[in-house]
Amino acid sequence: SQQGEEDPQALSIQEGENATMNCSYKTSINNLQWYRQNSGRGLVHLILIRSNEREKHSGRLRVTLDTSKKSSSLLITASRAADTASYFCATDPSGGSYIPTFGRGTSLIVHP
Amino acid sequence: ETGVTQTPRHLVMGMTNKKSLKCEQHLGHNAMYWYKQSAKKPLELMFVYNFKEQTENNSVPSRFSPECPNSSHLFLHLHTLQPEDSALYLCASSQESYLADTQYFGPGTRLTVL
Repeated sequence: SQQGEEDPQALSIQEGENATMNCSYKTSINNLQWYRQNSGRGLVHLILIRSNEREKHSGRLRVTLDTSKKSSSLLITASRAADTASYFCATDPSGGSYIPTFGRGTSLIVHP
Repeated sequence: ETGVTQTPRHLVMGMTNKKSLKCEQHLGHNAMYWYKQSAKKPLELMFVYNFKEQTENNSVPSRFSPECPNSSHLFLHLHTLQPEDSALYLCASSQESYLADTQYFGPGTRLTVL
């Protein structure tokens, strides 16, 4: 069954603005990962945050995890047109299969 | 370049054709995956292989037949497909399927079934 659900489904911003995407999930997890997909291409791993971590940074990316609310957010600061892509969260449910489960993704468009 | 290659990149086939998708990873990983990505739907896991053994079959119709001859190669054999099977088929690999590792994806094969 689907575990992660991204919100919003689509986001359109201007270059230089920040972009925030959210992911909600249903059951306890071991970790949560964010991936990016350019149109018609494979997914590229961005960042992994473990269930005992609350925040993680990688360059212009900031990921938070709130296990009490079963949610995570991905913040892209100072966005660029090249950030235009779909962003997916993948959760690894604890207590069962270790196969990450992906959501439908957030489609981000950054206008130059 | 993620270290995972897929061929062909595009494939158009009729419903009576037989074709195969190929995936190769150069990362020394032991787990390989097939996913199906259709428009407006979540990424669907199809098959998982760990150390050449199939560990997951996510209720995939028998017209899709996977083959994993070694840890570096993964095939998806297709026969008697339906138009609704048209999608982007993605291959991925990771160190092992039970370690919840980062997955490395190939560029995908865009399949169109006429």
